[in-house]
Amino acid sequence: EADIYQTPRYLVIGTGKKITLECSQTMGHDKMYWYQQDPGMELHLIHYSYGVNSTEKGDLSSESTVSRIRTEHFPLTLESARPSHTSQYLCASSRGQEVNEQFFGPGTRLTVL
Amino acid sequence: GQNIDQPTEMTATEGAIVQINCTYQTSGFNGLFWYQQHAGEAPTFLSYNVLDGLEEKGRFSSFLSRSKGYSYLLLKELQMKDSASYLCAVLDSNYQLIWGAGTKLIIKP
Repeated sequence: EADIYQTPRYLVIGTGKKITLECSQTMGHDKMYWYQQDPGMELHLIHYSYGVNSTEKGDLSSESTVSRIRTEHFPLTLESARPSHTSQYLCASSRGQEVNEQFFGPGTRLTVL
Repeated sequence: GQNIDQPTEMTATEGAIVQINCTYQTSGFNGLFWYQQHAGEAPTFLSYNVLDGLEEKGRFSSFLSRSKGYSYLLLKELQMKDSASYLCAVLDSNYQLIWGAGTKLIIKP
């Protein structure tokens, strides 16, 4: 079983609030990812990191930011939440080699009112 | 552009066999993954194919034809717990995963 954790699991907040979604993994994986997924839809990559101090934007334009100060921790921050940010956010990690399966956290279901 | 196509939904009977197809058009190819995702849960890894042919793993098998841009996931001896979405994802030339929207598989008794 993969050791990757996300908190909170569920979050309901008002428009304009700043929020941080936490993601931690204890597997020592170099690569970490944030995806956004709406019900019945494909996963969209919003941010990824190949190691400490490395962060990149994915293919889905996002108003969020990420940081990677420690290998195990990859938080995602929304400076000002909007109803359009309502979605499921999935964090994943994989080993450093080019081809390895991604292990996913349980996800955070975010609702912005 | 990059594109992954899978049927939206399929229905099968417990104990039967079902084949879920996936076709892809991507910029480069470094392998194809299948993941299972139960409703409200995170995806879990099922299989990886990079060479043409069939990979068998218990009740699940995955097939790849690179020349046709085609893969399928074969599930045998279906069980009720196999009711889930099955996601096809291709690793492109930049080693980024391109995801399909998934096939929702409904198993009936």
